[in-house]
Amino acid sequence: QKEVEQNSGPLSVPEGAIASLNCTYSDRGSQSFFWYRQYSGKSPELIMSIYSNGDKEDGRFTAQLNKASQYVSLLIRDSQPSDSATYLCAGGGTGGFKTIFGAGTRLFVKA
Amino acid sequence: NAGVTQTPKFQVLKTGQSMTLQCAQDMNHNSMYWYRQDPGMGLRLIYYSASEGTTDKGEVPNGYNVSRLNKREFSLRLESAAPSQTSVYFCASSDRGTGPSGNYGYTFGSGTRLTVV
Repeated sequence: QKEVEQNSGPLSVPEGAIASLNCTYSDRGSQSFFWYRQYSGKSPELIMSIYSNGDKEDGRFTAQLNKASQYVSLLIRDSQPSDSATYLCAGGGTGGFKTIFGAGTRLFVKA
Repeated sequence: NAGVTQTPKFQVLKTGQSMTLQCAQDMNHNSMYWYRQDPGMGLRLIYYSASEGTTDKGEVPNGYNVSRLNKREFSLRLESAAPSQTSVYFCASSDRGTGPSGNYGYTFGSGTRLTVV
């Protein structure tokens, strides 16, 4: 059974701090990894994708991938109350037809 | 630009009733997907369509059928609803290329909240 594991949280950080979200995956064949943000009662929204080992930065977000350790993380710098949401980690193979999602980590940013 | 449109947004069914969830995308994406989301279990793939004319089972296909009507539309049918099918259903679409970066991530619809009593 291919799995993506996340700590369910909640992770609570003060406004302006760095939020660190982590994820591990079991399928060594996974080649593409994603972070989605999901506000309560809304649909998931793609915020980051990463395909190669190392870091990828986009604004306040940095995704990190370590294929040897089967580990993916998302750093959110200068966290804002508007970042409070559930963050879903996902991994898939080429074509992405069977992307596997983690259950999500709930983030709460305190003003 | 509407993205992915799902209908209906809410539905209550009695056990044994049937219904079809509709999904349409206007992004010219090749691939479309149906997921269900249950508390603590994340998103689970029901069926997907890699391209127009093809459909395949995902992780939890039992009790569901799908139709890829054309490139834009992908419907999900519950033939005889059961309380275990109470969930939030999301349709998604994606474009794809070749190689490791061929999976560009999904665009999701707003979801259908289904309750089976």
